[in-house]
Amino acid sequence: QVQLVQSGAEVKKPGASVKVSCKASGYTFSTYAIIWVRQAPGQGLEWMGWISPNNGNTNYAQKFQGRVTMTTDTSTTTAYMELGSLRSDDTAVYYCARQSGVVPNFDYWGQGTLVTVSS
Amino acid sequence: DIQMTQSPSSLSASVGDRVTITCRASQSISSYLNWYQQKPGKAPKLLICAASSLQSGVPSRFSGSGSGTDFTLTISSLQPEDFATYYCQQSYSTPRTFGPGTKVDMK
Repeated sequence: QVQLVQSGAEVKKPGASVKVSCKASGYTFSTYAIIWVRQAPGQGLEWMGWISPNNGNTNYAQKFQGRVTMTTDTSTTTAYMELGSLRSDDTAVYYCARQSGVVPNFDYWGQGTLVTVSS
Repeated sequence: DIQMTQSPSSLSASVGDRVTITCRASQSISSYLNWYQQKPGKAPKLLICAASSLQSGVPSRFSGSGSGTDFTLTISSLQPEDFATYYCQQSYSTPRTFGPGTKVDMK
């Protein structure tokens, strides 16, 4: 069965970087893009961007351009999302998900990783 | 960017009620619209894709309709496990954007 398993919670200081991993299993990793979405406490869902494991192509939301880097390692079927220059308002749960379908949808999700930014 | 709005932002309902949630896009998105359910502390779950296609394993009491700018999610007979927050999301263009959510709680 398809599974996405994310790394554990992180606490970071303002200005630092965080790298969250997302280990995929149960399907052909290179066939589906991976997207990243975040959710601040008590807030809605915010799309950050996607990466194609097939060729490494990325598409980032303009809001995160210059601060986010998405990568994949096809040998370990793992996707990564690194966010730099962290601020307190980056405190959120970060989710990875698989993008599927002719009408792109996010059909399988990781369990989420809480990133807390605090001095 | 395409802006998504939802109404109502919250609603109170009873088991067995018919519930309707509306989603509107700031421009036409054809049928590039998906619906998700999220329960507290959990990841979102895909319910409906392409405006009206029920995801495998999702109960048939959920249905979606609409195209262009106006869309609807309907729960025909609300069950206890349906109390959650529902989000619409457009896949017509990037950035993919979500609606602000509709929280369905118990009356």
